[in-house]
Amino acid sequence: EVQVVESGGGLVQPGRSLRLSCTVSGFTFGDYAISWVRQAPGKGLEWVGFIRSKGYGGTTEYAASVKGRFTISRDDSKSFAYLQMNSLKTEDTAVYYCTRGDDFWSGYYPWGQGTLVTVSS
Amino acid sequence: QSALTQPPSVSGAPGQRVTISCTGSSSNIGAGYKIHWYQQLPGTAPKLLIYDDSNRPSGVPDRFSGSKSGTSSSLAITGLQAEDEADYYCQSYDSILSAVVFGGGTKLTVL
Repeated sequence: EVQVVESGGGLVQPGRSLRLSCTVSGFTFGDYAISWVRQAPGKGLEWVGFIRSKGYGGTTEYAASVKGRFTISRDDSKSFAYLQMNSLKTEDTAVYYCTRGDDFWSGYYPWGQGTLVTVSS
Repeated sequence: QSALTQPPSVSGAPGQRVTISCTGSSSNIGAGYKIHWYQQLPGTAPKLLIYDDSNRPSGVPDRFSGSKSGTSSSLAITGLQAEDEADYYCQSYDSILSAVVFGGGTKLTVL
């Protein structure tokens, strides 16, 4: 069974940092790009960014709203991806989902259960 | 303001057919980029429903279908069931934004 699990969410003050983790099973992690998508409470889905597989350079792409503050990385040996979030703002409060996809153009499957990040003083 | 526009809500009675539209522009749907659709049941993560405009992943009933024409795409659900009550989102790529974009979502109510 293909599965994705996120962790690391919690309550954090504005301006601070937090790192989310994503682990997968049921497929060869290193063969795929890993994306992050967030959903603010009661709102729609917002793409955060993704990291390509090493075969495609392992490069990253980000939404304008997080570029320069968020960094996505991956450790293929452990089948883990990370979302490092710095200079957090209250508007970053959301459930963060990790999912598998291929670059900008593919659909995302599967999705994890999400991890809630609350940015508040 | 999302690059992809969906109606906030649609409704239908059990057994009926409903469609959900996703309207874009020449920089996303109109440019030929693929459309994907997701179903999000209350309190759960999104689930891929349709990929690459009109393909169903394994396990998705054939009551769900996707189509695309010009700068718009549609998700059709036939034989509506109570369990279809959920939020539905379209997704594509926008070349001007250089970003993955989602529609604002449509809440389907089964009457």
